[in-house]
Amino acid sequence: QLQLQESGPGLVKPSETLSLTCSVSGASISDIGYYWGWIRQSPEKGLEWIGSVFYNGVTHYNPSLRSRLTVSLDESGNQFSLKLDSVTAADTALYYCARHTRGSLFEWGQGTQVSVSS
Amino acid sequence: QSVVTQPPSASGTPGQRVTISCSGSRSNIGSNTVNWYQQLPGTAPKLLIYSNERRPSRVPDRFSASKSGTSASLAISGLQSEDEADYYCVTWDDSQSTPVFGGGTKLTVL
Repeated sequence: QLQLQESGPGLVKPSETLSLTCSVSGASISDIGYYWGWIRQSPEKGLEWIGSVFYNGVTHYNPSLRSRLTVSLDESGNQFSLKLDSVTAADTALYYCARHTRGSLFEWGQGTQVSVSS
Repeated sequence: QSVVTQPPSASGTPGQRVTISCSGSRSNIGSNTVNWYQQLPGTAPKLLIYSNERRPSRVPDRFSASKSGTSASLAISGLQSEDEADYYCVTWDDSQSTPVFGGGTKLTVL
């Protein structure tokens, strides 16, 4: 059974880099055909897809975040990561990691709250 | 703003039937299947409907969905208090090569 667990700091200072890791169990991030992605949710914006990395390392990013975003695979640890640069208060949200298909079938982690504040 | 639009809110009384719409374009709903997710307060979203109209076995048959052209809709019949949640439609967009989420609809059971 697939399990996804987000980890990372719950508080990030403005202008710094938000870094999160998603640990995967019950599947391999090398499994053909799957995307490994990040979605965030704030009260103001609902669910917002951030970006995903395909099993072969090809990345897809939300155009509004592309200039600040890196999503990558760590095959040795069976995990994948998110780095979002130059954060502001607008990046405060509940961040989910997920596995998904091109058919947009998402399987979700529990989510981790990240606040941006000095 | 999302390229796939949903009404921000919907409501009904117990026992009623409510529908939630999801409107997109040829590059997303018009070309790809639509999935619906239910998010209960304080929890991660859960798959409610996949491939436009199919229900996972754990989902009651009170929930149904359909797709026509560039729009999709979710229907909930025999509304119950535990159906009070946020509902999201999700599909793929061929022009962006990315998944796209609707803005979500908050369902209130009066």
